[in-house]
Amino acid sequence: GQNIDQPTEMTATEGAIVQINCTYQTSGFNGLFWYQQHAGEAPTFLSYNVLDGLEEKGRFSSFLSRSKGYSYLLLKELQMKDSASYLCAVRAHTDKLIFGTGTRLQVFP
Amino acid sequence: DSGVTQTPKHLITATGQRVTLRCSPRSGDLSVYWYQQSLDQGLQFLIHYYNGEERAKGNILERFSAQQFPDLHSELNLSSLELGDSALYFCASSVRMGGTGELFFGEGSRLTVL
Repeated sequence: GQNIDQPTEMTATEGAIVQINCTYQTSGFNGLFWYQQHAGEAPTFLSYNVLDGLEEKGRFSSFLSRSKGYSYLLLKELQMKDSASYLCAVRAHTDKLIFGTGTRLQVFP
Repeated sequence: DSGVTQTPKHLITATGQRVTLRCSPRSGDLSVYWYQQSLDQGLQFLIHYYNGEERAKGNILERFSAQQFPDLHSELNLSSLELGDSALYFCASSVRMGGTGELFFGEGSRLTVL
């Protein structure tokens, strides 16, 4: 079966660092994606990991450990506009992109 | 702007009716995916087409069907609508099947069934 787990909600303060974790169990693995989604809007691509390790993109970094079925998204220097849902998604061998239920992040001043 | 166009943006209809949602992928993208997102729910994978052929199916109801046309646009048909079908329906496209092909999402079609 396919199972992707993320915390439902997180809060953080402007300027701080937050780490959003994602664990997955899927039938096959062909990459892990992170998307950002503001309420009522389309998800937008943040990062992609297929090999173990850290991928850095400005204030956003994503880490993958395939042996542990684990990823995290690290957001630095948080801004108010970072308040959104963050979706972890895994591409299985069947080419389906399966999404977790998302983590709603609230950034406070 | 992702380059993926979905119409209509909003649709209100009654139970038992049938609707068609339309998606035009980004220019050059061969893969089209459909997702359903109910209130406070994650994105539920419905179906994937690649260059006109069905490639993968999720938990798509038998009342729902989709197709991808030769010009690569796609339609999602929802019939015998029920209250629980009210949701945001997203279409996404990518240039290739699998691999590093990130998905680009349209703005969604918000369906309300009364």
